[in-house]
Amino acid sequence: SQTIHQWPATLVQPVGSPLSLECTVEGTSNPNLYWYRQAAGRGLQLLFYSVGIGQISSEVPQNLSASRPQDRQFILSSKKLLLSDSGFYLCAWRNGLAGELFFGEGSRLTVL
Amino acid sequence: TQLLEQSPQFLSIQEGENLTVYCNSSSVFSSLQWYRQEPGEGPVLLVTVVTGGEVKKLKRLTFQFGDARKDSSLHITAAQPGDTGLYLCADDYGQNFVFGPGTRLSVLP
Repeated sequence: SQTIHQWPATLVQPVGSPLSLECTVEGTSNPNLYWYRQAAGRGLQLLFYSVGIGQISSEVPQNLSASRPQDRQFILSSKKLLLSDSGFYLCAWRNGLAGELFFGEGSRLTVL
Repeated sequence: TQLLEQSPQFLSIQEGENLTVYCNSSSVFSSLQWYRQEPGEGPVLLVTVVTGGEVKKLKRLTFQFGDARKDSSLHITAAQPGDTGLYLCADDYGQNFVFGPGTRLSVLP
């Protein structure tokens, strides 16, 4: 069966520090991968999606970046965090361009 | 740019009551999905509707898709505390997904 895992689950970082959130998927090949951010109690904002290794599409210009170094690995990064980067970050995957999105457990980031 | 609106934003009810939440789009849905998210977790798919006028039932949950495919409703009968969560509608159009802001439901015992 397929599984998706994110880490770390919780992160507290000072303003200006770097960020790296990692997401891995197991049990499937060539998934479409997504990074979403969710403000407290609100809907999901799509940040990045990837349809293959090294292929990244950005939906919102900001100080975040994403990379896909391996087929089932998706990384969200920042060189210098801002206060506004705080939130709940969710990684998701699915096969193809239709069907259910499967989400990871989420990573809660607090920037102080 | 497509905009999804959900109402109400918050809803607090007693166990056993019925409720309806709504999702409206500024444009026709490609494929509408409803998700439920519990605190500290990722959303989980409840249903996908594609055809205008479609009605789907999932135990005590009834989903309706408008004839014009621009709106949808989720009706819960005899709500239970386990129904508590954030209900999100989303439009699935190919590589992208657009999510609504959600309705936060609290069912009190």
